[in-house]
Amino acid sequence: GQNIDQPTEMTATEGAIVQINCTYQTSGFNGLFWYQQHAGEAPTFLSYNVLDGLEEKGRFSSFLSRSKGYSYLLLKELQMKDSASYLCASTFNDYKLSFGAGTTVTVRA
Amino acid sequence: KAGVTQTPRYLIKTRGQQVTLSCSPISGHRSVSWYQQTPGQGLQFLFEYFSETQRNKGNFPGRFSGRQFSNSRSEMNVSTLELGDSALYLCASSIGTSGSGELFFGEGSRLTVL
Repeated sequence: GQNIDQPTEMTATEGAIVQINCTYQTSGFNGLFWYQQHAGEAPTFLSYNVLDGLEEKGRFSSFLSRSKGYSYLLLKELQMKDSASYLCASTFNDYKLSFGAGTTVTVRA
Repeated sequence: KAGVTQTPRYLIKTRGQQVTLSCSPISGHRSVSWYQQTPGQGLQFLFEYFSETQRNKGNFPGRFSGRQFSNSRSEMNVSTLELGDSALYLCASSIGTSGSGELFFGEGSRLTVL
């Protein structure tokens, strides 16, 4: 694969902020996606970053640093419904979409 | 509009058998890609079809094959099933190629090999 690494699990309290980091090999990198997958459901698209910087969409933001091979997904004002697996995925010169193993976020009351 | 539809949703097979899974993309989407999802491994790319042509292939043995029809519907086939093939098989469609924008996933076909 393309060595896409993200933490396995994270736990946070309702109303808090959680940051999910993702690192990848920079060689041939094109862009980075984040998907959300609730247990037993299909993944759904959250964000797509091609350029460096922060993109905000409501409570969710995604950051990319192309030179550092680093991205993060920031979840603010956590709600119970945010408990899910968050998948980091990258495209490279071969245009295959490679996924990380996913980060399971558990939100506690 | 209708989402991505995968059939069957659940199936049980025995070692050595073969299986065919079907995926109907969102109307107007020309790309269909397939992924295998297992606990701890995440989504592993199988292949992508665009306008009836296989555009890309992952690192799976030749027992895994697929095709796409003129109406963009796609099928994948796994022959000579092994226990390790037990997984959730997800199909995703997109307007352009899979790495160029948002993927829309189906609910998946959960295969159990006994």
